Amino acid sequence: KNEVEQSPQNLTAQEGEFITINCSYSVGISALHWLQQHPGGGIVSLFMLSSGKKKHGRLIATINIQEKHSSLHITASHPRDSAVYICAVYPGGGADGLTFGKGTHLIIQP
Amino acid sequence: SQTIHQWPATLVQPVGSPLSLECTVEGTSNPNLYWYRQAAGRGLQLLFYSVGIGQISSEVPQNLSASRPQDRQFILSSKKLLLSDSGFYLCAWSRQHKAEAFFGQGTRLTVV
Repeated sequence: KNEVEQSPQNLTAQEGEFITINCSYSVGISALHWLQQHPGGGIVSLFMLSSGKKKHGRLIATINIQEKHSSLHITASHPRDSAVYICAVYPGGGADGLTFGKGTHLIIQP
Repeated sequence: SQTIHQWPATLVQPVGSPLSLECTVEGTSNPNLYWYRQAAGRGLQLLFYSVGIGQISSEVPQNLSASRPQDRQFILSSKKLLLSDSGFYLCAWSRQHKAEAFFGQGTRLTVV
């Protein structure tokens, strides 16, 4: 079973700061998701990546398959970025579903 | 385009009462369907998945059951809720053998 660890668990930063959230997993995977969960609970998919780097607006996600590690970066952070960010891994092959990290609770203060 | 509907968004139920949460998918056929639960202070955990009508796999023993009466309908049920069933329940779907996943809005269940 894959163990997915996220760090930090909680992060409070000032508006404009560069944010990094880390995700490590124990078993090789086919793909990794970064998700955003707002206080109401709804989950939005930010990225799915299998290698390298992806960028969308102020968000950047990277993955190192050999090191079993991924990072999510937010540039020029804004209070509306405040949410829980969740890493989830997909093993590949069957229909076993995703294994999720516990999430990183991010608060951006104005 | 594909959409996923999950309802209700919030639910407060007394201990011992039954539960039925419904999830439907539109715009695709033969999806893999999933139910996840997020208990307080914990990550989302897979409860059930289904690769086809009537085919249900359970990941953890629990007080809940799932059914798939139609190709794009997935139902999570309980005959008698426990306090420990409280949490955030999330339905999701994916295409067969594909990593991309699509999520419902979730149901926050409070058992009192």
